[in-house]
Amino acid sequence: EAQVTQNPRYLITVTGKKLTVTCSQNMNHEYMSWYRQDPGLGLRQIYYSMNVEVTDKGDVPEGYKVSRKEKRNFPLILESPSPNQTSLYFCASRNSGFSYEQYFGPGTRLTVT
Amino acid sequence: KNQVEQSPQSLIILEGKNCTLQCNYTVSPFSNLRWYKQDTGRGPVSLTIMTFSENTKSNGRYTATLDADTKQSSLHITASQLSDSASYICVVSADFGNEKLTFGTGTRLTIIP
Repeated sequence: EAQVTQNPRYLITVTGKKLTVTCSQNMNHEYMSWYRQDPGLGLRQIYYSMNVEVTDKGDVPEGYKVSRKEKRNFPLILESPSPNQTSLYFCASRNSGFSYEQYFGPGTRLTVT
Repeated sequence: KNQVEQSPQSLIILEGKNCTLQCNYTVSPFSNLRWYKQDTGRGPVSLTIMTFSENTKSNGRYTATLDADTKQSSLHITASQLSDSASYICVVSADFGNEKLTFGTGTRLTIIP
């Protein structure tokens, strides 16, 4: 089954404790991205990757890091989480180019206290 | 600044009735427009993707229209079902050499029996 998986689905942590949210896709997509979704705001892109070893900032990259060492995986790293990073996070993937369907993961609900 | 505005913010209708959701955008250079359905606590799922040359696209009981001149789109849902209760997100893609997506904040649709 074609899918994007994320782990963990739920995470409660404390300020400053480094964490990683994993993302994996099995569709051989070149393009992967991370979004955050907050009440009253549309999904906002954090980082994206157009292929292995190629990553770039989205609209709200501050406080986040990513890496793309393999085509299928695109982890999101919070080196020193802060309460304003409490949010619902989605990983997504699609083929590069235009008008390709984008597939979203199930989401990771992160709470930073 | 590229923006996508959706209306209404929320809508409640009786099961079996039809409804229409609106999307206005100020995104350029325009590439395509997408509608997604997002169930509570889950990732968005693609309903339709329309390019500049398409003005109508259907997916079962969902029909999207696009007027590129007025920069408006609508999503019409026919014979609503309880399972249609979800948020519907309009997403407009701009062509900056690579594809850049701008998300609306969504319309929260509730179907009541």
